[in-house]
Amino acid sequence: QVTLKESGPGILQPSQTLSLTCSFSGFSLSTSGICVSWIRQPSGKGLEWLATICWEDSKGYNPSLKNRLTISKDTSNNQAFLKITSVDTADTAIYYCARIPAGYFDYWGQGVMVTVSS
Amino acid sequence: DIVMTQGALPNPVPSGESASITCQSSKSLLHSNGKTYLNWYLQRPGQSPQLLIYWMSTRASGVSDRFSGSGSGTDFTLKISSVEAEDVGVYYCQQFLEYLTFGSGTKLEIK
Repeated sequence: QVTLKESGPGILQPSQTLSLTCSFSGFSLSTSGICVSWIRQPSGKGLEWLATICWEDSKGYNPSLKNRLTISKDTSNNQAFLKITSVDTADTAIYYCARIPAGYFDYWGQGVMVTVSS
Repeated sequence: DIVMTQGALPNPVPSGESASITCQSSKSLLHSNGKTYLNWYLQRPGQSPQLLIYWMSTRASGVSDRFSGSGSGTDFTLKISSVEAEDVGVYYCQQFLEYLTFGSGTKLEIK
C-alpha cells in the first residue's frame, strides 16, 4: 500500500534553513505521471501548497515563496526533499508531503511539526 | 493567481440532514481536455486531509456515496447527503489549473 512519512528538525532558529524529507513506499517517483508535493498548515489555519516535483524532474513552486524553496528527489531511495531558506516564525507549521497522480493529492503523510523560534 | 472562496455552513447541522458546501474560483477551472480541475478534501480533527472528490465530480476510492461533487467552470458544490458524526471536520476545495491553491476551508459540526 502507499505510505508517506515526513521528517524534519522539529525546531530551528530564525534565518536558518529548514530541510524536510518525505520517505515513501508503495509507488515510485520514476513512474510516468507521478508527482510528490509539499503542503503546510499553520496551527488552526488552512492548507498552503508549497512545491511539487514530478517523475521527469519537472518542478513547480508557490510563486509567493519561490525564491526560498528548493524541491528535489532521490528516486532510488524513494525520497523527496524540501529546503526553505531564511525561515522565520511565520514558517511554523505542520508540513505534509502528498502524492499527486493527476492533479489531486490522493495519499498524504501524517505531517511533521516544525517550529521556528529563537 | 486563482483565488478559491468557500462558503460557510449553518452549524451545527442535524444528523441525518444534508449539507452543501460551496466553492467559487476566480477563474474557470475547465481545462481544454474537458476536465474541471477542482478537488475536495476532508480534514478530520487531528488528522491529515483525505481526498473525497477529484476532477469536480469523481468520487475517490473508498469514499461514501453520500458525498457528491458538482458545478460549472467557476462555481462548485460538495453535497453530503444525510450527515453523520464521522463527517465532522474541515472541508477544502483545491484547484490545479494554475499552480495549486486551496480554499480557506468550511467547518462542519453535527448536532
